[in-house]
Amino acid sequence: SAVISQKPSRDICQRGTSLTIQCQVDSQVTMMFWYRQQPGQSLTLIATANQGSEATYESGFVIDKFPISRPNLTFSTLTVSNMSPEDSSIYLCSVEDLQGTTEAFFGQGTRLTVV
Amino acid sequence: AQSVTQLDSQVPVFEEAPVELRCNYSSSVSVYLFWYVQYPNQGLQLLLKYLSGSTLVKGINGFEAEFNKSQTSFHLRKPSVHISDTAEYFCAVKSYQKVTFGTGTKLQVIP
Repeated sequence: SAVISQKPSRDICQRGTSLTIQCQVDSQVTMMFWYRQQPGQSLTLIATANQGSEATYESGFVIDKFPISRPNLTFSTLTVSNMSPEDSSIYLCSVEDLQGTTEAFFGQGTRLTVV
Repeated sequence: AQSVTQLDSQVPVFEEAPVELRCNYSSSVSVYLFWYVQYPNQGLQLLLKYLSGSTLVKGINGFEAEFNKSQTSFHLRKPSVHISDTAEYFCAVKSYQKVTFGTGTKLQVIP
């Protein structure tokens, strides 16, 4: 299994500002994923972060709005840029077990409120 | 493309009563199936998973699920719920490393 630490756990931000969310894993993983969970809704994949290459974004998400860094095999950041109230969500970091058990492990999430 | 449908957005149930949370999926290829639980203000925790083999899968906290290929379902069951089971439950399918989540079912256990 993998233990994921995500920071901050919550934040309240002013519109127009940016917030960077950190995700630290206790073991090396190839792929890290960033999800958004809007109020009352399910998880939507934002992008897949691979070490050594640019992140792969899902339809509806762009790098300018959600830049991602993946400097090594245990760490990634997601930045929510130029925030608006519509960005208020829970953002979740996820990894897959390197042992090939296929399941995804999740961080505790970052609860973001934009005012 | 794959999709997941959780038919019930909320399920109230009395403590010690049985519960079933429904999940149906669609996919043109073989998939892996998962149930996750999300407690308030927390991330997602894996309850159980179906990869292959026996269609009845047992998970943590007394939950189990049955994979039915002909009905493309993966319903979650527990014979007797506890107050601590109050949470949101997500069904998910995975193929080719892409995971799709259902919209979630909020289980409310009534004392």
